[in-house]
Amino acid sequence: GIQVEQSPPDLILQEGANSTLRCNFSDSVNNLQWFHQNPWGQLINLFYIPSGTKQNGRLSATTVATERYSLLYISSSQTTDSGVYFCAVEGMDSSYKLIFGSGTRLLVRP
Amino acid sequence: DTEVTQTPKHLVMGMTNKKSLKCEQHMGHRAMYWYKQKAKKPPELMFVYSYEKLSINESVPSRFSPECPNSSLLNLHLHALQPEDSALYLCASSQGAGTGNEKLFFGSGTQLSVL
Repeated sequence: GIQVEQSPPDLILQEGANSTLRCNFSDSVNNLQWFHQNPWGQLINLFYIPSGTKQNGRLSATTVATERYSLLYISSSQTTDSGVYFCAVEGMDSSYKLIFGSGTRLLVRP
Repeated sequence: DTEVTQTPKHLVMGMTNKKSLKCEQHMGHRAMYWYKQKAKKPPELMFVYSYEKLSINESVPSRFSPECPNSSLLNLHLHALQPEDSALYLCASSQGAGTGNEKLFFGSGTQLSVL
């Protein structure tokens, strides 16, 4: 099946810093989503981005499907950005099977 | 309303108990999902329902029994669980147009402990 790798696995930032999270995937996909899981376990859908670039406030994401990677940018980080960021993909022949990467655990210090 | 509601938030059960997890959405979505998440691991897909019919079962043991009584509700019936089944159980929904490739909305989960 499709493999999803995220880097870095852990990241510590000072409040106000910027960061880039990366997601590599092993095969063509027709669905890619970024999620933030807060310390209470809630998974929030940040972006639905199988290709192209999107921005939402301080967050933006870019997926280059032909090169099989996606990037999540966090600017001017805040303590509330802490948590785990997951990339999830659905392979071309795997309708409804969204497979999660292992995540990037982010801690933003005040 | 963009909420997926799961109850209960926490559940402790013995290995001989029978319990059920409930999930509800009112977004008109026709695809609903159960995911299992162990501590410090990513969510893993268990089941997918599309138009109230089970379309994906990821080889889940029969002690987990899903049910979709209508388009808004999804249940997960639990029986004779093992301590290693302790995990966060997440419900999700998506539009369900029939081809996958959809944005998923997750509930806040049920934290299950099996003693």
